[in-house]
Amino acid sequence: EAQVTQNPRYLITVTGKKLTVTCSQNMNHEYMSWYRQDPGLGLRQIYYSMNVEVTDKGDVPEGYKVSRKEKRNFPLILESPSPNQTSLYFCASSQIGGGSNQPQHFGDGTRLSIL
Amino acid sequence: QKEVEQDPGPLSVPEGAIVSLNCTYSNSAFQYFMWYRQYSRKGPELLMYTYSSGNKEDGRFTAQVDKSSKYISLFIRDSQPSDSATYLCSTLGRQGAQKLVFGQGTRLTINP
Repeated sequence: EAQVTQNPRYLITVTGKKLTVTCSQNMNHEYMSWYRQDPGLGLRQIYYSMNVEVTDKGDVPEGYKVSRKEKRNFPLILESPSPNQTSLYFCASSQIGGGSNQPQHFGDGTRLSIL
Repeated sequence: QKEVEQDPGPLSVPEGAIVSLNCTYSNSAFQYFMWYRQYSRKGPELLMYTYSSGNKEDGRFTAQVDKSSKYISLFIRDSQPSDSATYLCSTLGRQGAQKLVFGQGTRLTINP
């Protein structure tokens, strides 16, 4: 089954304790992206990657890092989490280019609470 | 000004009603328009996809784009309780760029 898998689904942690949210896709997609979803603000892009070893900032990259060492994986790293990073996070992937619809497939989300 | 504006609702209608969900966008360069549906505790899933102006129909769902007024609409006919979800409009500047811009999402409840 084609899917984007995020782990963990839920995490409560404390300020300053480094954490990593993993994302893996099994569709051989080039493009992967991280979003955060907050009430009243919708989905905002944090970082994206067009292919292995190619990453770039989205709209709200401050406080986050990413890496893309393999095509299927795109972890999101919070080196020193702060309470304003409490949010619902989604990873997404898609093919690039082509003449028709290339929908983004989303994971089921990771709810992070930073105390 | 947000690039895509969407009334967050919530919107509650009786089963069988016609539902109209709307968004406006600011950048005339946007060409691709999508509606995503998000059930509680799930990620968004693509519902409808439209290129440029016009209508697209898929079963009970119709997506409409009016580029002259920068207005995006989703109509749901014969609404069902299973349609209860948050609906997100989004746009994409050009194919291949992959940068989706989302509205805030409208929470819709269909009451049996």
